[in-house]
Amino acid sequence: EVQLVESGGGLVQPGGSLRLSCAASGFSFNSYSMNWVRQAPGKGLEWVSYISSSGSTIYYADSVKGRFTISRDNAKNSLYLQMNSLRAEDTAVYYCVRAEGVYWGQGTLVTVSS
Amino acid sequence: EIVMTQSPATLSVSPGERGTLSCRASQSVSNNLAWYQQKPGQAPRLLIYGASTRATGIPARFSGSGSGTEFTLTISSLQSEDFAVYFCQQYNNWPPITFGQGTRLEIK
Repeated sequence: EVQLVESGGGLVQPGGSLRLSCAASGFSFNSYSMNWVRQAPGKGLEWVSYISSSGSTIYYADSVKGRFTISRDNAKNSLYLQMNSLRAEDTAVYYCVRAEGVYWGQGTLVTVSS
Repeated sequence: EIVMTQSPATLSVSPGERGTLSCRASQSVSNNLAWYQQKPGQAPRLLIYGASTRATGIPARFSGSGSGTEFTLTISSLQSEDFAVYFCQQYNNWPPITFGQGTRLEIK
């Protein structure tokens, strides 16, 4: 069974940092590209970042470029999102998503507030 | 960036009736269009990809159509479990991948 389990969310002050993790199981993680998608409370879906299966190709939304860093460790079947210089508008549930869109994690809530 | 616009924002339909949701792209996305369903407190679920192909396990009452800039998701004979929020997503011209703002399908 395919599973994606996010962790690392929480409350952080503006300007602070968090590192999200996504543990993948049930499929050949090193064969799939991955995305992070977020959803602000009561709002729609926003794509955040993409990483190819090898990690050689990476893209970011303009809203997070220069502040967030996506990475992966295929040996550990894990995806990461390092979030720096956090802003109130980054408050959202962050989902780890396999690239074709079929499999989503349950999400982890990031709240940026003083 | 391709802007996806969904209409209506809220659709009220009685159980057993047909629901028709629309999605328009600001420029052609060919047939690289997906539909997702999201229920409260849950992650989105992929319903349709390639504009008209149902994902594995999706009931036949869900159908997608369209190409270019105009797309439709039709749910025939709405069941109680179908009342949710629906999002369209284009993946033709990315980054960025872009989503519509969603249509809330509610019970009339």
